[in-house]
Amino acid sequence: EAGVAQSPRYKIIEKRQSVAFWCNPISGHATLYWYQQILGQGPKLLIQFQNNGVVDDSQLPKDRFSAERLKGVDSTLKIQPAKLEDSAVYLCASRKTGGMMGSNSPLHFGNGTRLTVT
Amino acid sequence: EDQVTQSPEALRLQEGESSSLNCSYTVSGLRGLFWYRQDPGKGPEFLFTLYSAGEEKEKERLKATLTKKESFLHITAPKPEDSATYLCAVRGNYGQNFVFGPGTRLSVLP
Repeated sequence: EAGVAQSPRYKIIEKRQSVAFWCNPISGHATLYWYQQILGQGPKLLIQFQNNGVVDDSQLPKDRFSAERLKGVDSTLKIQPAKLEDSAVYLCASRKTGGMMGSNSPLHFGNGTRLTVT
Repeated sequence: EDQVTQSPEALRLQEGESSSLNCSYTVSGLRGLFWYRQDPGKGPEFLFTLYSAGEEKEKERLKATLTKKESFLHITAPKPEDSATYLCAVRGNYGQNFVFGPGTRLSVLP
């Protein structure tokens, strides 16, 4: 089973520039999450999708962050304009839902995109 | 609001020196507690799910246990390859989100 794919692996931009990250979840996983992980901290949820609908975006800074999952598979996360405090690793995770164990199945993570804003 | 704390923040062990990591949580009805391992430059890798107090899960040198307020990850006779950050997360009955703790950085010296 192929894992969660993310690209790019690294990105360096200047503040006020824009950047986009891409995620392809595990095949058949309906739920997709974007997490932000600042160095030395645990992942913090930005947005959760169920198929192509948003379930939770309460912690997404909507003035600068946006995300979409148009066909219920791939997803993109965009930051525009970037700030210095956006320097972090952006992790995508997917989860199998449905069936007997689906309601409590674990998250499966990609290797993330490390963003540096200078 | 669901919350997770982990201790210690960092732990250095000699190879073969057993120890435990702690994860304390507050949640409105626990649906599951999850342990992950994260290596530098990688995403978290799933280890265990625990559902109810008294439950235990084992994998190689790792054993996870759960009470109503905390979970322990016991590491028996660790090896240098066990060096990583160990993350704990909870999922409550009233939310869809997984709330993560800050992690414990484990270093096992040969």
